[in-house]
Amino acid sequence: DAGVIQSPRHEVTEMGQEVTLRCKPISGHDYLFWYRQTMMRGLELLIYFNNNVPIDDSGMPEDRFSAKMPNASFSTLKIQPSEPRDSAVYFCASSLWGEDIQYFGAGTRLSVL
Amino acid sequence: GESVGLHLPTLSVQEGDNSIINCAYSNSASDYFIWYKQESGKGPQFIIDIRSNMDKRQGQRVTVLLNKTVKHLSLQIAATQPGDSAVYFCAEWKNRDDKIIFGKGTRLHILP
Repeated sequence: DAGVIQSPRHEVTEMGQEVTLRCKPISGHDYLFWYRQTMMRGLELLIYFNNNVPIDDSGMPEDRFSAKMPNASFSTLKIQPSEPRDSAVYFCASSLWGEDIQYFGAGTRLSVL
Repeated sequence: GESVGLHLPTLSVQEGDNSIINCAYSNSASDYFIWYKQESGKGPQFIIDIRSNMDKRQGQRVTVLLNKTVKHLSLQIAATQPGDSAVYFCAEWKNRDDKIIFGKGTRLHILP
């Protein structure tokens, strides 16, 4: 398996623009997680899905953030409109129920100018 | 509030020596702990885990120790190698229905 695949690896955009981050979990995994990592706050859980259904989105910072999982092999995290303080590395991770290990993608480094 | 923290933000170790990375947790109800390694430009990678009914667990060159009395977790790396340079995170999980909480990380720097 190729592991968790995220795209793009890097994104540079201007304030106010819409940003869409993409994630393909490991095939067969039924949990998907979106994290944000910054120097100041470390790794923060934004939202997670179980069987494509959002379970806990309490970590989503504002209404500008939204996440979807239309099927078991694809998820998006959207920021609209983006702001400079959204600049961070965004990670997607997946896991299998019954196994507590989360497998992380390589991340998307987002820079909002 | 409940949190997972780390004692040292940066640890420098001579190549070949053993490394010990420490972590404190505040919730005595936590029953599962994980250590992750994050190399530059990559996502966190699972190293080893331990459940609260255990005191010690060994892997290849790594050992995790859990002291529930003082709510302390440590990761020991034997014969540290240049490839061990990374940021190490401890994480806490109360149960499968709850969220995993990551600490802020300790950077391990290997001296030649």
